[in-house]
Amino acid sequence: KAGVTQTPRYLIKTRGQQVTLSCSPISGHRSVSWYQQTPGQGLQFLFEYFSETQRNKGNFPGRFSGRQFSNSRSEMNVSTLELGDSALYLCASSLGTKNTGELFFGEGSRLTVL
Amino acid sequence: DAKTTQPPSMDCAEGRAANLPCNHSTISGNEYVYWYRQIHSQGPQYIIHGLKNNETNEMASLIITEDRKSSTLILPHATLRDTAVYYCIVYLNAGNMLTFGGGTRLMVKP
Repeated sequence: KAGVTQTPRYLIKTRGQQVTLSCSPISGHRSVSWYQQTPGQGLQFLFEYFSETQRNKGNFPGRFSGRQFSNSRSEMNVSTLELGDSALYLCASSLGTKNTGELFFGEGSRLTVL
Repeated sequence: DAKTTQPPSMDCAEGRAANLPCNHSTISGNEYVYWYRQIHSQGPQYIIHGLKNNETNEMASLIITEDRKSSTLILPHATLRDTAVYYCIVYLNAGNMLTFGGGTRLMVKP
């Protein structure tokens, strides 16, 4: 069974640009959540999508947005990039029908903002 | 979610048991204790979770004190591949939103 796939794995952007990251969950999983990991703040929850609807949202500015498609694949977008957005962005999937803390994480997309 | 406190780092000899403590003194009755680990440059990996009773699976054992204010993750025979950051998380079953703390950096040494 294929795991959670994130693309791209690495990318470099400049300040003011925008970026879109993609996440393909494990087959059959309907919940996709996104996390940001930085050396200073650690792992922080961004948002969660279930059946194409945002179900939970963390404490991030509106520049961070996401969506989920009917096949459960998800994308997150960061607009007007700032240096502080440099981070590892992790996607996690789960069945989602039963609230559980057992998430399956991808290997992440490492974003560098110059 | 309740806050957790873990030692920032620990060492363990290869082949020995690694005992990783976690304090969660403000945990409420319906909150679970979850453990994840993150090996360098990879996404976090679920290890085990529990509510009140001790739990064991193929990866580890979880011991939760009777008052539920602390727990210990036990890796019975640590290997070099167990070197990772281990996160203890207190989770309320309300959406897949985990609050990660600083974790414990476990270094398994030969």
